[in-house]
Amino acid sequence: QKEVEQNSGPLSVPEGAIASLNCTYSDRGSQSFFWYRQYSGKSPELIMSIYSNGDKEDGRFTAQLNKASQYVSLLIRDSQPSDSATYLCAVNMGVSGNTPLVFGKGTRLSVIA
Amino acid sequence: DTGVSQNPRHKITKRGQNVTFRCDPISEHNRLYWYRQTLGQGPEFLTYFQNEAQLEKSRLLSDRFSAERPKGSFSTLEIQRTEQGDSAMYLCASSSERQYSTFGSGTRLTVV
Repeated sequence: QKEVEQNSGPLSVPEGAIASLNCTYSDRGSQSFFWYRQYSGKSPELIMSIYSNGDKEDGRFTAQLNKASQYVSLLIRDSQPSDSATYLCAVNMGVSGNTPLVFGKGTRLSVIA
Repeated sequence: DTGVSQNPRHKITKRGQNVTFRCDPISEHNRLYWYRQTLGQGPEFLTYFQNEAQLEKSRLLSDRFSAERPKGSFSTLEIQRTEQGDSAMYLCASSSERQYSTFGSGTRLTVV
């Protein structure tokens, strides 16, 4: 049974700062990793996917993957109040990239103006 | 492409009643997933389909739950004899062979 662990927060950062969100996973064989953002009362929306060790950047977001440590992180630069949401880390249940996802409980981020 | 559509958005039902939810995936997506999310938790996998075939069911899916995708297009999730513990957000997602999952807006079920 795959497990994904996240600090539930809340994580509070001032506007303009870097927010750092962390996630660990239990299955060393996991291949695909995702960060979803979920606003209160809304459904999750994908913001980043990462499959290889190292960093992947997309605008203000950077995902980092370290398979040896079974660790995934998400950095949000120049945090904005609109980034305040719950961030969900997810990995695929199977080896294939389009198998169901196992989610962590999410980290609640609050960006203070 | 109108995204993943779920109906109804909200459902309030009395304990013991049956409820059915519908999910219309993105048209070119052949995989469809159902998840359940309760307050303070991440989505939990329930079941998924590739075209019309149900490939896997979670242990969370008791005998009171059934899901279908009769023609490989829309899917329904039925809960029989609802219990208060069934109150949750039911999320549907779809994906193609090489795409990540896209979620619908969800159906919020309240059992009173």
